Amino acid sequence: EVQLVESGGDLVKPGGSLRLSCAGSGFTFSKAWMSWVRQAPGKGLEWVGRIKSKTDGGTTDYAAPVKGRFTISRDDSKDTLDLQMNSLKTEDTAVYYCTTGTPVDYWGLGTLVTVSS
Amino acid sequence: QPVLTQSPSASASLGASVKLTCTLSSGHSSYAIAWHQQQPKKGPRLLMKLNSDGSHSKGDGIPDRFSGSSSGSERYLTISSLQSEDEGDYYCQTWGTGVQVFGGGTKLTVL
Repeated sequence: EVQLVESGGDLVKPGGSLRLSCAGSGFTFSKAWMSWVRQAPGKGLEWVGRIKSKTDGGTTDYAAPVKGRFTISRDDSKDTLDLQMNSLKTEDTAVYYCTTGTPVDYWGLGTLVTVSS
Repeated sequence: QPVLTQSPSASASLGASVKLTCTLSSGHSSYAIAWHQQQPKKGPRLLMKLNSDGSHSKGDGIPDRFSGSSSGSERYLTISSLQSEDEGDYYCQTWGTGVQVFGGGTKLTVL
């Protein structure tokens, strides 16, 4: 059974930083293209960014609103995916989901990030 | 990049059928999509991946009541024999070079 467990969500002030992590199990993590998707309170789903598998180049792509502020990385030795978020804005407040595949095959349960002074 | 358009809301009676639509933007009518369901207070789950020819593959444990079809730039999700647990938000998703896109979602109410 595929499991994705996010952690690291917290309350942070505007301009601050936060790092989210996702632990994957039940699939071959190193072969998976992994993404982060977020959902602001009461709003729809928004793709944040993706990292390819290392065999496919390990490259990253980001949505325009987060490009230059967010960084996705992976540690295939630990089956973990990270999202480093810098220069956070109030509009980054959302539940952040870790997902596998393009398009998304599996979703985590999400972790809440609140950006507020 | 592609844009996906969905009606904000839909409703149908318990036991009836409903057809939700996702429309691809001009120039992207050959794109495959995915349908995702989000029940109230829960995370999303994959319902199916749907190709432009109407062929589709379902996610884990998705019942036969859920089916997909395509026509031109439109992608459809049909839910038959509606049950109360089908109430929720339905999102379509597609992808291009270096980008993934979600539709705005359709809120389904089961009457």
